[in-house]
Amino acid sequence: DGGITQSPKYLFRKEGQNVTLSCEQNLNHDAMYWYRQDPGQGLRLIYYSQIVNDFQKGDIAEGYSVSREKKESFPLTVTSAQKNPTAFYLCASSLTGSVGTQYFGPGTRLLVL
Amino acid sequence: EDQVTQSPEALRLQEGESSSLNCSYTVSGLRGLFWYRQDPGKGPEFLFTLYSAGEEKEKERLKATLTKKESFLHITAPKPEDSATYLCAVQDAGGTSYGKLTFGQGTILTVHP
Repeated sequence: DGGITQSPKYLFRKEGQNVTLSCEQNLNHDAMYWYRQDPGQGLRLIYYSQIVNDFQKGDIAEGYSVSREKKESFPLTVTSAQKNPTAFYLCASSLTGSVGTQYFGPGTRLLVL
Repeated sequence: EDQVTQSPEALRLQEGESSSLNCSYTVSGLRGLFWYRQDPGKGPEFLFTLYSAGEEKEKERLKATLTKKESFLHITAPKPEDSATYLCAVQDAGGTSYGKLTFGQGTILTVHP
């Protein structure tokens, strides 16, 4: 089955710790996206990538980093510089010419200990 | 800067009671407007794409319409299974915003039996 997977489902971060969220897709999509969702605030774009080895900052990139070494994978690192990381993180993918039709993963909920 | 505002924030309906959700947007040039449905704790699922004023799309009890400044999602005779958060997003036609979406904060719809 084609789809997009995220792991883990829940993640706990200690003060000063970097954590990495995984996102994998087998839809053969070139474009991938990371969003953060807080209660009552909809989805805010963190980073996006339209092709391997290239990515752009979204609206709230500070405190986050990404890599895009393979077409299928787009991991997100939440660094210690992100002071309020508690949120629901969603990864999505799309065809390059169909940005509006994004397929989302099930999400990772990040909590701070 | 692209902006999307959805109203109301929350809507409670009785089963069979039709209503509409609103999405107002500001973009320099609209490439597309998109509606998504999100169930609690899950990633959003794509519903509709609208490209130009006057366009309408339908799916079961849902109909989406578009004007030059806003979009409506009409829900006819809703059922409890229509309960979800409905998200609106826009894609700007130009500049650096072309490869990404801007989402509204969503409308939480609850349909009581």
